[in-house]
Amino acid sequence: GAGVSQSPSNKVTEKGKDVELRCDPISGHTALYWYRQRLGQGLEFLIYFQGNSAPDKSGLPSDRFSAERTGESVSTLTIQRTQQEDSAVYLCASSSSTGIYGYTFGSGTRLTVV
Amino acid sequence: AQSVTQLDSQVPVFEEAPVELRCNYSSSVSVYLFWYVQYPNQGLQLLLKYLSGSTLVKGINGFEAEFNKSQTSFHLRKPSVHISDTAEYFCALGAGNNRKLIWGLGTSLAVNP
Repeated sequence: GAGVSQSPSNKVTEKGKDVELRCDPISGHTALYWYRQRLGQGLEFLIYFQGNSAPDKSGLPSDRFSAERTGESVSTLTIQRTQQEDSAVYLCASSSSTGIYGYTFGSGTRLTVV
Repeated sequence: AQSVTQLDSQVPVFEEAPVELRCNYSSSVSVYLFWYVQYPNQGLQLLLKYLSGSTLVKGINGFEAEFNKSQTSFHLRKPSVHISDTAEYFCALGAGNNRKLIWGLGTSLAVNP
C-alpha cells in the first residue's frame, strides 16, 4: 500500500480482555517494527521483524505480549489479559531491509484499558 | 553501544522566531541520523535524514540540520517558525548494520503567537 496502515485506530477494552492490533506495512518493506508510546513519553521499542522472523523481541514487556507476521506483510500484536498500564498508543513502522533510509510510521492504535 | 540525547525536553518560542532543537549522539561506528516530527494525535513523519556526504541536510517544512562529527551533534534548525510547527520532535540514530534505530526522548516545541 501507499503507507503503513494500522487498525483499529482506537480501541477501548476492559481489563483482563485480550486485544489484537494490526499493522499492514508498505509493500516491499521487509522490516517491521512495533513501538509503544505512553502519554507524553518517547518511543518504547517492542519488537522487530525481518520478513516473518523476529530477530529482536527484547522490548516485549511481559509474556502477555506477543507478535507475529505473515511473510513480509501483515503483522499482529496481541496483548493478553490487558492491564491498565497497557494503555498507550501502539505504533508500527516499516522500512527497507537495511533501514538506512528511515522508517515509515503508521498513525498508531490508541489502546485504552478501563 | 549507541545512544541519543535530546538536550531539551521542551522548547517554547514565539512565532517567526528562529529555533534550534539539540541532539547529541554517541557511537563508535559510523552513523546515520534522522529527525522525525509527531503532530498531536498522529504518527511520526520523517523530517530529514543524514546518510553521508554534505553535512547540511534540508528537509520538509523549511527545517534543516547539520551533522557535526567532531561535536557528535545533529541539531535541527528553522529560521522562522510557524504556529503549525508545534509538535514533538524526535532525533534517531542508526549505526552499522543495526537496523533498529536508537531514539531520543523527544523535544516538545511550542510555538506561541
